[in-house]
Amino acid sequence: DQQVKQNSPSLSVQEGRISILNCDYTNSMFDYFLWYKKYPAEGPTFLISISSIKDKNEDGRFTVFLNKSAKHLSLHIVPSQPGDSAVYFCAASRMNSGYSTLTFGKGTMLLVSP
Amino acid sequence: GAVVSQHPSWVICKSGTSVKIECRSLDFQATTMFWYRQFPKQSLMLMATSNEGSKATYEQGVEKDKFLINHASLTLSTLTVTSAHPEDSSFYICSARPNLNEQFFGPGTRLTVL
Repeated sequence: DQQVKQNSPSLSVQEGRISILNCDYTNSMFDYFLWYKKYPAEGPTFLISISSIKDKNEDGRFTVFLNKSAKHLSLHIVPSQPGDSAVYFCAASRMNSGYSTLTFGKGTMLLVSP
Repeated sequence: GAVVSQHPSWVICKSGTSVKIECRSLDFQATTMFWYRQFPKQSLMLMATSNEGSKATYEQGVEKDKFLINHASLTLSTLTVTSAHPEDSSFYICSARPNLNEQFFGPGTRLTVL
């Protein structure tokens, strides 16, 4: 049973436009969510996170929105740049347990074309 | 962000060989490190949690006698794939946690078992 789902395996966006990557989760115990960016044959790089007590967190071009009632979060990248092309993983954690293992989605490959 | 290194980055071995992968946190101490495995086009799957000075905690379905984990110091965890077989070929990634809210990943190790 996959607890973190990224239903879009890929997304293509033109440079300068907004990229919206979606993530759904099923476990209501998750209270901390992270987005990672990954290039082939490299480890994931942390992008941005959000605690369940917030509904939005912004860092430069990256904004994460959390809708707890819908168990849904999204990552917005605006404006998108060709260098943003990578696989984006959504991850969820149970921070209040004091034990932060991460559960990952399968990833969405973002392609930003010039 | 904090730096986590892995060595080797790529290893090819014959079936039956044991392979050791090192994970180091370079600029912080980590009492807890995590080992993940990623198959092509799949999510990162947590294999085990490595705790400094104590036994690792393995996820369900991961053979602890197959994947030996040693967390000998606050900056080093090792994963040994014992008697590797072709089905063990995968991308192994470690991560380390400087605090409860952050987790930094190594660049990964590509294991190919012939």
